[in-house]
Amino acid sequence: DAGVIQSPRHEVTEMGQEVTLRCKPISGHDYLFWYRQTMMRGLELLIYFNNNVPIDDSGMPEDRFSAKMPNASFSTLKIQPSEPRDSAVYFCASSLGGQVKNIQYFGAGTRLSVL
Amino acid sequence: AQSVAQPEDQVNVAEGNPLTVKCTYSVSGNPYLFWYVQYPNRGLQFLLKYITGDNLVKGSYGFEAEFNKSQTSFHLKKPSALVSDSALYFCAVRPRNSGNTPLVFGKGTRLSVIA
Repeated sequence: DAGVIQSPRHEVTEMGQEVTLRCKPISGHDYLFWYRQTMMRGLELLIYFNNNVPIDDSGMPEDRFSAKMPNASFSTLKIQPSEPRDSAVYFCASSLGGQVKNIQYFGAGTRLSVL
Repeated sequence: AQSVAQPEDQVNVAEGNPLTVKCTYSVSGNPYLFWYVQYPNRGLQFLLKYITGDNLVKGSYGFEAEFNKSQTSFHLKKPSALVSDSALYFCAVRPRNSGNTPLVFGKGTRLSVIA
């Protein structure tokens, strides 16, 4: 398996533009997580899904952020409109729930720069 | 609520010397404990985990960690550091009987191994 795949790897955009980050989890995994990493705040959990259903989105910073998982092999994180303070590295991770003790597998991340 | 503390933002060690990266946790009941490593421009990568049994857990790349219930600690160790061990290390915890709630990560400790 190729692991968790995120695209794009780098995104540079201007304030006010819409940004869409994409994630393909490991096949067969039933949990998907979106994280944001910054120097100031470290690694923050934004939202996670189980079987394509959002379980907890309390980490989503504000209404400008939305996430979807239309099927088991694809998820998006959208920021609209984007702001400079959204600049960060965004990670997607997936795991197999149940009795497997939740090893999360991370993608390589998307580095977002909002100018 | 569960939490993880990594008291050192930065650890410096000379190549060949033993290294320790500290982690303490707070959780209701018994925990599952994890260490992840992040190399530059990469996602987090699983290193090792404590589930049950022997308090000394061995993981990838010669790393090990010792679960100490009385001190609520799970320090990461390696007998002889390599320059290639230089990275950002994250400790994570999850309560044993919490269903499938996500991992809680510490803020990370940057390890620099100097040749």
